[in-house]
Amino acid sequence: DVKVTQSSRYLVKRTGEKVFLECVQDMDHENMFWYRQDPGLGLRLIYFSYDVKMKEKGDIPEGYSVSREKKERFSLILESASTNQTSMYLCASMDREYNEQFFGPGTRLTVL
Amino acid sequence: AQKITQTQPGMFVQEKEAVTLDCTYDTSDPSYGLFWYKQPSSGEMIFLIYQGSYDQQNATEGRYSLNFQKARKSANLVISASQLGDSAMYFCAMRDIMDSNYQLIWGAGTKLIIKP
Repeated sequence: DVKVTQSSRYLVKRTGEKVFLECVQDMDHENMFWYRQDPGLGLRLIYFSYDVKMKEKGDIPEGYSVSREKKERFSLILESASTNQTSMYLCASMDREYNEQFFGPGTRLTVL
Repeated sequence: AQKITQTQPGMFVQEKEAVTLDCTYDTSDPSYGLFWYKQPSSGEMIFLIYQGSYDQQNATEGRYSLNFQKARKSANLVISASQLGDSAMYFCAMRDIMDSNYQLIWGAGTKLIIKP
């Protein structure tokens, strides 16, 4: 089975802190995605990556950056966390041969 | 621009009844795929069913079926014989098959509550 893991289920940080959210997949997928999910807004794409060291901005990249040094790992970085970044963050990976995106369990981030 | 609309923010359904969750989409691309995902309270997104725009038959997966009406641009999810475990958020999503970035466009979701 495909497994996508995220480093934390719950995270509480203070305004201005640098935050790292880690995502690891074990199925050698090329494509990986970071979303944030807010009530009534569905999932919004922050960044995605289609290969090692390759990244593309999604719909809401402001305030975020990403890193993909290895194929299995895709990190989301909040350089200086703000309260409006309090949200659920979901990571997904995808095999290009199939249509399904596989999701991690999510990280619920609270910025105080 | 592509867009997904789910008009039902929440639904209550009696256990064992069938449920229809609405999804309409807007795209000018001829080749696209439609997805439904389930998100229980635990938070993980679970893939349910996929329909390609050129598929001749409506997709089915166990108790889930997709009522695909291409002319009306709708892709409603039908759950037969609902169970308490079906209580969750349900999201409809779409992808342009020719998009090399494999991005999904998501609806806002429908919260389904199954009553015993």
